[in-house]
Amino acid sequence: KAGVTQTPRYLIKTRGQQVTLSCSPISGHRSVSWYQQTPGQGLQFLFEYFSETQRNKGNFPGRFSGRQFSNSRSEMNVSTLELGDSALYLCASSLEAGGRQPQHFGDGTRLSIL
Amino acid sequence: AQRVTQPEKLLSVFKGAPVELKCNYSYSGSPELFWYVQYSRQRLQLLLRHISRESIKGFTADLNKGETSFHLKKPFAQEEDSAMYYCALKFDNAGNMLTFGGGTRLMVKP
Repeated sequence: KAGVTQTPRYLIKTRGQQVTLSCSPISGHRSVSWYQQTPGQGLQFLFEYFSETQRNKGNFPGRFSGRQFSNSRSEMNVSTLELGDSALYLCASSLEAGGRQPQHFGDGTRLSIL
Repeated sequence: AQRVTQPEKLLSVFKGAPVELKCNYSYSGSPELFWYVQYSRQRLQLLLRHISRESIKGFTADLNKGETSFHLKKPFAQEEDSAMYYCALKFDNAGNMLTFGGGTRLMVKP
C-alpha cells in the first residue's frame, strides 16, 4: 500500500508569490491534515479536511488555505508569501476524522522563500 | 490552552543504558497521547499511543493523569534508537488535530 505522497518535494519562491502544495493520502483514507514544521516553532497544526470539508483550523493567518477533493486528495495554498513561511509542510492522512485511527505522515514539501 | 512539553531538547546515553524521554501535557479533559519518531532521512512515524498499551521496539509509555505525563521508556538503548522523538496530544472534539511537543533528540553512543 502506497504511503502518503506529497508533491513537490522542494520549492523555492520569492516574497509576495503564492504556492500550492499537494497531498495524496493513503488509499481509503478520508481525513487529511496539514502541519508546518520550523526550527523555531516546531510542528504546528494548520488544518484538517474530511469529506471535502474543513473540520479544524490552527492559528494561522488567512493567507493559508486548503481544500480537499472528492478523491480525498488535498491541496494547501499560501498566498503573499513571507520569509517566515519557509518551512517543511507535512501532510498526514487517517481513515476517519477523529476516532482512534493513527495518522500517517508524508515526507513533506520543503518550501524556501527568498 | 492545551500544551505539550518535552523538557529535554537533547538526550545522550550509552548503548545498553536505560532511556526515559519526558513528556508533560496540560489539558483538563481526556487526552489521547502519542509518541512519534523520526529517524534520519525518514518520515515521521507513529511509535506508540497510550490507548494501545503496547511495547514497540522495546519502548513503553504509561499515561499518568495525576502527573499529566506520558514519558517514553526503554530499559536498554540501542544505537538504532537514535532519532528525533515527538510527544503529541489529541484532545476531545478536535478531530485528528495533534498538538506536538518540541521534540527530543536521542543520541545513543556506542
